[in-house]
Amino acid sequence: DIVMTQSPDSLAVSLGERATIGCRSSQSVLSDSNNRNHLAWYQQKPGQPPKLLIYWASTRESGVPDRFAGSGSGTDFTLTISSLQAEDVAVYYCQQYHRTPSLGYTFGQGTKLEIK
Amino acid sequence: QVQTMQSGAEVKEPGASVKVSCKTSGYTFSRYNIHWVRQAPGQGLEWVGWSAPNSYDTNYAQKFRGRATMTRDTYISTAYLELTSLRSDDTAVYYCARGTTAAALDFWGQGTLVTVSS
Repeated sequence: DIVMTQSPDSLAVSLGERATIGCRSSQSVLSDSNNRNHLAWYQQKPGQPPKLLIYWASTRESGVPDRFAGSGSGTDFTLTISSLQAEDVAVYYCQQYHRTPSLGYTFGQGTKLEIK
Repeated sequence: QVQTMQSGAEVKEPGASVKVSCKTSGYTFSRYNIHWVRQAPGQGLEWVGWSAPNSYDTNYAQKFRGRATMTRDTYISTAYLELTSLRSDDTAVYYCARGTTAAALDFWGQGTLVTVSS
């Protein structure tokens, strides 16, 4: 199985400050068929389903504010919120896809983001 | 606009089966994979599997093979997840979600709570 490890498990950041969440995969998620990293980021608020923020490691989903940015390649990835807003309080998950059927999709354990 | 409506909450006894439905609208159902993801109370997200537009191709996470079955009815744009031999640790919210060509999940249902308890 591919293991996705996020860091930290929880994070408290002041309003207007930068928040950074890391995600490490036990195997590379770089696809050799299209040279893209199959790594996505989601935001989940209490009582709601997850919301897609970033795909292909760094492409923002339509409608996602530009304060959210994804970076990284291979096995190490980062989600950065450049200026934390109150509405960004949530749990954030990374997710990988591997085309080997036995590996499929895997989520990280989640990072809880709060206001300091 | 894309909409996804899942069936209502279920309470089942250990050993029973449950079938959750996911009705979609606002897009061409037959062109997209449908994924199932579950979330136990207070826990993270766990991928269950996906079903392809042709209704025949599926891929299950290792731990669900043999117990989970995903099906689709293209005529009513609805996907289904059946889970058998339920255990207490199957208690979770089960989400369906649309899969994209970027291997991400872009539209999610509201979730169906399945409670397994005697």
